[in-house]
Amino acid sequence: QVQLQESGPGLVRPSETLSLTCDVSGTSITSGYFWGWIRQPPGKGPEWIGTFHFGMVTYYSPSLQSRVTIDLDTTMNQLSLRLTSVTAADTAVYYCARQAGVYESSQWYPAQFDTWGQGTLVTVSS
Amino acid sequence: DIVLTQSPGTLSLSPGERATLSCRASQSFPSAYLAWYQQKPGQAPRLLVYGASTRAAGVPDRFSGSGSGTDFTLTISRLEPEDFAMYYCQQSGRSPPFTFGPGTKVDVK
Repeated sequence: QVQLQESGPGLVRPSETLSLTCDVSGTSITSGYFWGWIRQPPGKGPEWIGTFHFGMVTYYSPSLQSRVTIDLDTTMNQLSLRLTSVTAADTAVYYCARQAGVYESSQWYPAQFDTWGQGTLVTVSS
Repeated sequence: DIVLTQSPGTLSLSPGERATLSCRASQSFPSAYLAWYQQKPGQAPRLLVYGASTRAAGVPDRFSGSGSGTDFTLTISRLEPEDFAMYYCQQSGRSPPFTFGPGTKVDVK
């Protein structure tokens, strides 16, 4: 059974860097799936942050691209997220998720998020 | 960017009734990249349907998805008490950003 668990500080000061990790169990992060981060501000809908595939290109939300980095630690079987220069607008529940792919035109493309972590609330406040 | 619009914003129905949720895209994209999720308070979204019409593992057959191009629909044939929740559509695929709709809340009438 694939499980994902996010962890990291629940409070980050404005202008600092938000760093989260996602422990993946039940499968290898090099298994061929995509891996993504999604956030959800309080009372709002989900917002895609970025998607990573081991050995392929990384996709980032254009609105966050200048501040976000997603990476994989294959030895720890972890996914990580770094978001720099945070403001109150970055306050949200952050989820990591496994993203299945669709194979077309000799290439894999990201599709649905089929397995999610429970999420972790990050508040940006001084 | 593909913008998803969901309607209605809120759907007030009684258990046993049929729910029809709409997701409309600002431009056409392959149905392989359209998914629906259910979210209950304090929980992560749960995948219900992917590829516009394929139910995810363990999803009851009262949930069905349809549509193509720019218009997609999630139907719940007979609402059970546990179906009252938020529902989001989401698109992904060949080029980001991968977007979610604003959601439809299905609540008890």
